[in-house]
Amino acid sequence: QVHLVESGGGVVQPGRSLSLSCAVSGFTFSNFGMHWVRQAPGKGLEWVAFIWSDGNTKFYADSVKGRFTVSRDNSKNTLYLQMNSLRAEDTAVYYCASLFIIRGGSQYGMDVWGQGTTVTVSS
Amino acid sequence: DIQMTQSPSTLSASVGDRVTITCRASQSISSWLAWYQQKPGKAPKLLIYKASSLEYGVPSRFSGSGSGTEFTLTISNLQPDDFATYYCQQYKTYWTFGQGTKVDIE
Repeated sequence: QVHLVESGGGVVQPGRSLSLSCAVSGFTFSNFGMHWVRQAPGKGLEWVAFIWSDGNTKFYADSVKGRFTVSRDNSKNTLYLQMNSLRAEDTAVYYCASLFIIRGGSQYGMDVWGQGTTVTVSS
Repeated sequence: DIQMTQSPSTLSASVGDRVTITCRASQSISSWLAWYQQKPGKAPKLLIYKASSLEYGVPSRFSGSGSGTEFTLTISNLQPDDFATYYCQQYKTYWTFGQGTKVDIE
């Protein structure tokens, strides 16, 4: 059974840093690209970051580029999100997920989500 | 960047109704579109992928159609469990979600 379990959320002051983790089980983690998606209170879903299966390719939303860093440890089946220079607008539930991807005109991957971890940026 | 626009933002309906939600892409995404259902406090649940393919285990009252820039999600015979928020998502170029459509009880 597939499980994605996020951790590391909490309350942090503006300008400070926080690191999130996502422990994965039930599938071959090293074969899949992984994402972070967030949802601000009462708002919609926002894609945040992607990392390819080998960790060598990463993409970020403009809203977090230069402040957030996605990484992974395939030996530990764990995905990470390092969040620096946090702002009030980064307050959200952060989900780790595996989503579909298109390469060479074909669809790959699968769609699975964790239950999320809450990050609150407030003084 | 590809923008996704859903309409309506809110939809009031009754059990047994047929409801349709529209999603428009700012440029062609072929059929690389997914639909999700989300309930409060829960992660999104995949309903439809590749615009019209029903995810395993999803009831057949859910259907998707469209290609290019215009897509629809249809729920026929709306059930009490279907009152939720629905999102479209393109995955042709990076990943972008629509702003959501809340289906509530009329």
